[in-house]
Amino acid sequence: QVRLQESGPRLAKPSETLSLTCAVSDGSVSSGVYYWSWIRQPAGKGPEWVGHISSSGTTDYNPSLRSRVTISVDTSKNQFSLSLSLLTAADTAVYYCARGSYCRGGSCHASFVWFDPWGQGSQVTVSS
Amino acid sequence: SFDLTQPPSVSVSPGQTAIITCSGDQLGSKFVSWYQQKPGQSPVVVVYHDTERPSGVPERFSGSNSGSTATLTISGTQAMDEAVYYCQAPDSDTSVLFGGGTKLTVL
Repeated sequence: QVRLQESGPRLAKPSETLSLTCAVSDGSVSSGVYYWSWIRQPAGKGPEWVGHISSSGTTDYNPSLRSRVTISVDTSKNQFSLSLSLLTAADTAVYYCARGSYCRGGSCHASFVWFDPWGQGSQVTVSS
Repeated sequence: SFDLTQPPSVSVSPGQTAIITCSGDQLGSKFVSWYQQKPGQSPVVVVYHDTERPSGVPERFSGSNSGSTATLTISGTQAMDEAVYYCQAPDSDTSVLFGGGTKLTVL
């Protein structure tokens, strides 16, 4: 059973860049047809999809965050990372990494995506 | 823009059937997934592709999707099912959306 674990700073300052890493164990970021995803959740609110990277390196981002987000993958370390720039207080949230599956009955398409498993989450607070 | 609307709360007595809805424009033409989140924990998928149940999820969880509404049904609700439930669907070919969540209370 694949497991995901987020790591990174818990506190960041406005205007800075946040960098988080998701380590994947008991599975490989370069195998299978998966999207390796970042999802965040402000306190008391629903999750917000940030973006994902496919096993082949293709990325998609939430349109509302696209100008500030970069997701990358390091196959040698079996991990993927999130970079979010120009932070504001509105970026304060629990950040989850998750594996997205997007195949159904032999066909694969981004519209089929669902997320399992999720990491335990990393609380990030943006404050001066 | 496309939005997913869920009722903020649903209450049910133990052993009864809980129905949680998720509404969106032409939602029936998209594949919907449902997640359960208990306090202090990460979300866990209970239904994907409208009706599919991952291994390990009890049979009392089922889903449907038609028209503009997707539904998560919990039959014989147990106290352990008390949680917040989120629906999720594609916003486009390259984007994903989650609903605002429904808090299920088992009275």
